[in-house]
Amino acid sequence: DADVTQTPRNRITKTGKRIMLECSQTKGHDRMYWYRQDPGLGLRLIYYSFDVKDINKGEISDGYSVSRQAQAKFSLSLESAIPNQTALYFCATSDFISGQETQYFGPGTRLLVL
Amino acid sequence: DQQVKQNSPSLSVQEGRISILNCDYTNSMFDYFLWYKKYPAEGPTFLISISSIKDKNEDGRFTVFLNKSAKHLSLHIVPSQPGDSAVYFCAANPDSNYQLIWGAGTKLIIKP
Repeated sequence: DADVTQTPRNRITKTGKRIMLECSQTKGHDRMYWYRQDPGLGLRLIYYSFDVKDINKGEISDGYSVSRQAQAKFSLSLESAIPNQTALYFCATSDFISGQETQYFGPGTRLLVL
Repeated sequence: DQQVKQNSPSLSVQEGRISILNCDYTNSMFDYFLWYKKYPAEGPTFLISISSIKDKNEDGRFTVFLNKSAKHLSLHIVPSQPGDSAVYFCAANPDSNYQLIWGAGTKLIIKP
């Protein structure tokens, strides 16, 4: 079984709709992240959480919100989807050992906003 | 302003030869660097890392070199195999911040 799972894997929605992407992990990590990937831009951080009570905005948080329901669950919401939010979304967890962080990614959610 | 740059969007290498992927960074405070590999329809997977106290780290066919004075790191894959065809991301971990800073990625194509 995968350590980091994302649902749905693919989603098509219309402009203005609210949509939620979910992420679950079995790695026991406190840190979780949401990224989006666009062609030629690499990975850009949307939100991150270092524990259940800690939520932080990333580089591109406008138009998004998150909820950390438990250590293992971190969901991303698009309150009113717009076409330029069409992208590949990744959830990640990380461990932080001896001052060094390694992130582990889910398989991604491909989102199309029409 | 991109703090981590991968200037080659793609690279094509013959099977069996060496693949060299490059990454430049601007912030001298970065102290830990990682390479990730990504196949289509999958999330990135951790490949190899290096701390700023080292200038080389090797793991099987993969070697990462760090040149701190030039703010440059490179990933060497030798010999290159067809399964190495993927997008490779370079990432840096700033000393004062636990967020990884990512490059845009380089698509490596291994030709048979």
